[in-house]
Amino acid sequence: GQQLNQSPQSMFIQEGEDVSMNCTSSSIFNTWLWYKQDPGEGPVLLIALYKAGELTSNGRLTAQFGITRKDSFLNISASIPSDVGIYFCAGGAAGNKLTFGGGTRVLVKP
Amino acid sequence: DAGVIQSPRHEVTEMGQEVTLRCKPISGHDYLFWYRQTMMRGLELLIYFNNNVPIDDSGMPEDRFSAKMPNASFSTLKIQPSEPRDSAVYFCASSFRIGVVGNTIYFGEGSWLTVV
Repeated sequence: GQQLNQSPQSMFIQEGEDVSMNCTSSSIFNTWLWYKQDPGEGPVLLIALYKAGELTSNGRLTAQFGITRKDSFLNISASIPSDVGIYFCAGGAAGNKLTFGGGTRVLVKP
Repeated sequence: DAGVIQSPRHEVTEMGQEVTLRCKPISGHDYLFWYRQTMMRGLELLIYFNNNVPIDDSGMPEDRFSAKMPNASFSTLKIQPSEPRDSAVYFCASSFRIGVVGNTIYFGEGSWLTVV
């Protein structure tokens, strides 16, 4: 089946830093979605991408749909404490199914 | 606008008992999904429906799991008999057809199941 490799698995952030995470796949996707999950909650959509090469921003978040349709990245600029959580990429292909990456756990530097 | 509504939010049950999880999708959405989330396996798609019809149940672990969607506003996921390895968070999600600009999948808050 389709696999999504999401990296890094975890990262520590300091307030004000920019952070980056990405997902790669051996398969082509038609849609890339980025979700954030807070403790005890369900994943909440951050950004949706529908076309290869598309670059979309949502506040301090920017995501891009790779030209090859096999990858996507998410950047968070000027991070703040509430950016802590787990970020998931998801690729959509035919049949309305999403394949999720393993998640990037964002933590605050002690 | 109400989101995807799941119940119960938390359930603790004994091994061997029947567990029923419930979901009300967002009104008008014609796709409904059941996912399971564990630390080891992440988010896994169990089954999804289109217009109340099961389309793909290849992710359902075994015969102990069953899902129904009797109408457009209600679905259940049943585990009978439950086992400790079924302990996980079960998410219901709904959508219009994805791939169309503006359409995406919305998740409920999850049902946290512990089987002891």
